[in-house]
Amino acid sequence: AQRVTQPEKLLSVFKGAPVELKCNYSYSGSPELFWYVQYSRQRLQLLLRHISRESIKGFTADLNKGETSFHLKKPFAQEEDSAMYYCALSGLNQAGTALIFGKGTTLSVSS
Amino acid sequence: NAGVTQTPKFQVLKTGQSMTLQCAQDMNHEYMSWYRQDPGMGLRLIHYSVGAGITDQGEVPNGYNVSRSTTEDFPLRLLSAAPSQTSVYFCASTSGPGGYTFGSGTRLTVV
Repeated sequence: AQRVTQPEKLLSVFKGAPVELKCNYSYSGSPELFWYVQYSRQRLQLLLRHISRESIKGFTADLNKGETSFHLKKPFAQEEDSAMYYCALSGLNQAGTALIFGKGTTLSVSS
Repeated sequence: NAGVTQTPKFQVLKTGQSMTLQCAQDMNHEYMSWYRQDPGMGLRLIHYSVGAGITDQGEVPNGYNVSRSTTEDFPLRLLSAAPSQTSVYFCASTSGPGGYTFGSGTRLTVV
């Protein structure tokens, strides 16, 4: 079964500290993985997708097929990074377009 | 360019009432999905569509119906509302795998 697991409900860090939001997945084929972010009372926004291998707002994420993980990292957290972060897997249907989300991790960055 | 538009933004229903949540996109996206967001549960896929006239069930389809008569519109119908359907509902669309654009959500309360 396809599944996305985000083990931490809440991650609290101080400004300037490194951040790692964990994501593990279960999928039988070749997955496409994404990170979405939702700032307070705003709509979800795409943050990263593994196929683009880019850095957005200082965040990076590497797909590790051996560990079935797609952890989100940032070396120095900023207060404006405080938000809910969702890891998502694409692959429910043959078109690969429906997303399965994890339960989300709230990141709280304090000064 | 409005993106994905959801109406209404807020709604209170009595148990047993029916209603339709509207979703429209102006990006000519082929793929559209409905999610519900609940505390501690993340986003769960209700129904999705890979094109006009084609819909399929997601993770939590019970109690909801959808149709896709045009590329632009993907309404979600609650035939007989239940308190368990109290949630925030998000519609999303994409032209290809993963990079979904989300609407601003509909906050539904069933009393």
